[in-house]
Amino acid sequence: EAQVTQNPRYLITVTGKKLTVTCSQNMNHEYMSWYRQDPGLGLRQIYYSMNVEVTDKGDVPEGYKVSRKEKRNFPLILESPSPNQTSLYFCASSLVRTNTGELFFGEGSRLTVL
Amino acid sequence: AQSVTQLDSHVSVSEGTPVLLRCNYSSSYSPSLFWYVQHPNKGLQLLLKYTSAATLVKGINGFEAEFKKSETSFHLTKPSAHMSDAAEYFCVVSLYNFNKFYFGSGTKLNVKP
Repeated sequence: EAQVTQNPRYLITVTGKKLTVTCSQNMNHEYMSWYRQDPGLGLRQIYYSMNVEVTDKGDVPEGYKVSRKEKRNFPLILESPSPNQTSLYFCASSLVRTNTGELFFGEGSRLTVL
Repeated sequence: AQSVTQLDSHVSVSEGTPVLLRCNYSSSYSPSLFWYVQHPNKGLQLLLKYTSAATLVKGINGFEAEFKKSETSFHLTKPSAHMSDAAEYFCVVSLYNFNKFYFGSGTKLNVKP
């Protein structure tokens, strides 16, 4: 089954404790991206990657890191989480070659930073 | 600069009546436009997309949207609402090369029996 898988789905952590949210897709998509969703703000793009070893900042990259060492994986790293990073996070992927722009989303990771 | 404005944060309709969810955009380039739906505790799913072909776009589950360049609008409609349509809907604009996507703030659709 074609899917985007995020882990963990739920996480409560404390300020400053490094964490990683993993994202994996099995559709051989070149493009992957991370978003955060906050009430009344829609989804905002954190980082995106056009292919392996190619990443770029979205609109709200501060406090986050990403890496793209393999095509299927695009982890989101919070080196020193703060309470303002409490949010619902979505990973998405897309097939660049077809140029349709359709994003396939994971089911989300709800992060709470105390 | 690109931006997306969804004009209603909440819309409530009765089952069987028409649905209208409004979206206006601004873009310096010819945009690609999308509508996504998010059911509770789920990821987002594509409803339909406009990518410079026909201005009236048909999507899944009976939804459609019309691209009106003169009004910079991309409103989502459905002739007859179903209870299963209750969800949050997002209007999205992207540049031609699809590397950045800009989401509206979302419209929550409530369908009353």
